[in-house]
Amino acid sequence: DVVMTQSPLSLPATLGQPASISCRSSQSLVHSDGNTYLSWFQQRPGQSPRRLIYKVSDRDSGVPDRFSASGSGTDFTLKISRVEAEDVGVYYCTQGTYWPWTFGQGTKVEIK
Amino acid sequence: EVQLVESGGDLVRPGGSLRLSCAASGLTFSSFWMTWVRQTPGKGLEWVAGIKDDGSDKYYVDSVKGRFTISRDNAKNSLYLQMNSLRAEDTAVYYCGRAVGHSADNWGPGTLVTVSS
Repeated sequence: DVVMTQSPLSLPATLGQPASISCRSSQSLVHSDGNTYLSWFQQRPGQSPRRLIYKVSDRDSGVPDRFSASGSGTDFTLKISRVEAEDVGVYYCTQGTYWPWTFGQGTKVEIK
Repeated sequence: EVQLVESGGDLVRPGGSLRLSCAASGLTFSSFWMTWVRQTPGKGLEWVAGIKDDGSDKYYVDSVKGRFTISRDNAKNSLYLQMNSLRAEDTAVYYCGRAVGHSADNWGPGTLVTVSS
């Protein structure tokens, strides 16, 4: 199975300041169809996960543009340009290139 | 608006069975792959099973192969997960999700399955 490794696992963030999370896969996530199926999810306390980003950098509808993502191959990054209080929660990367799809361990974002 | 609502979670003894359901609305259900994902405090999120829009292809994580069966009824806009030979490690919140872009863009609120004697 493809192993997804996130860092850091805990991220104390400052309101209004940028923050970033790294995600690495154990093998390239380029699919045979040419797409790279790497997504990012946010899970706020007590809520279901919510997808923010799909195919490396495409934002889902309704996701604030302070969230951006990039990467290729095996290295990916989620960035929050200016952290807001509502961004507190756990962030997960996941790959959908190979079954079983797999998640990273999660990065807990809290406000300093 | 897409709505997914899971049901069927319960307390069950090891070795027992349970059938989860997911009622979908606000989407053309028969056009989408669907998935089940579970979440445990210890192991985080895990994709459990996926099924093609017409039900002709199904995928399972190794830990549930031979024990769980994913199915769907497009006429009823419903997704199911039949879980047999349940183990303590199957204890989790189970979510159904609409699969778009090789991940789930919409999730339900989840249903809790507890396997314990």
